[in-house]
Amino acid sequence: DVKVTQSSRYLVKRTGEKVFLECVQDMDHENMFWYRQDPGLGLRLIYFSYDVKMKEKGDIPEGYSVSREKKERFSLILESASTNQTSMYLCASSSGLAGADTGELFFGEGSRLTVL
Amino acid sequence: AQSVSQHNHHVILSEAASLELGCNYSYGGTVNLFWYVQYPGQHLQLLLKYFSGDPLVKGIKGFEAEFIKSKFSFNLRKPSVQWSDTAEYFCAVYNFNKFYFGSGTKLNVKP
Repeated sequence: DVKVTQSSRYLVKRTGEKVFLECVQDMDHENMFWYRQDPGLGLRLIYFSYDVKMKEKGDIPEGYSVSREKKERFSLILESASTNQTSMYLCASSSGLAGADTGELFFGEGSRLTVL
Repeated sequence: AQSVSQHNHHVILSEAASLELGCNYSYGGTVNLFWYVQYPGQHLQLLLKYFSGDPLVKGIKGFEAEFIKSKFSFNLRKPSVQWSDTAEYFCAVYNFNKFYFGSGTKLNVKP
């Protein structure tokens, strides 16, 4: 089974702190994604990556950055956390090349971040 | 850009009732379609997917979905729900190299 592991299930940070969310997948997937999930808004794409050292902005990239130094690892960084970034963060991966033949998304357990 | 609409935000059913959850998307080009489910306290997992072929797709746990291209729809159905189907359901569409998600439908099944 594909396993997507997120390093922290629950985090509490203060406004202005730098936050790192780590995600590792064990199925050699090319594609990795970071979403945030908020009630009534569904999942919104923050950033995604189709290859090592490659990143593309999603729909809500402001206030976030990412790093993909190795194929299996995709990190989300909040340079200066704000209260409106309190949310559930979901990492996902998928196989296949970008395009119509992509595989399905496999999700991690999620990281619930509270910014005080 | 693509948008995905799930019109039912919260559905309450009794056990054995039939279920249909609506999903419509905005762009009619080549798309891959998915339904995901999130049980309480668990991660999102795939229920079913459509890439091509028979527009009636069967998934896990007795769920099925029908792709109607002319209506830009991919509705989820189950003939008889169980209490264990209580969860949040998300429709997703893949095109333009991205996955687009609907806002989700919370289903509560009363025993």
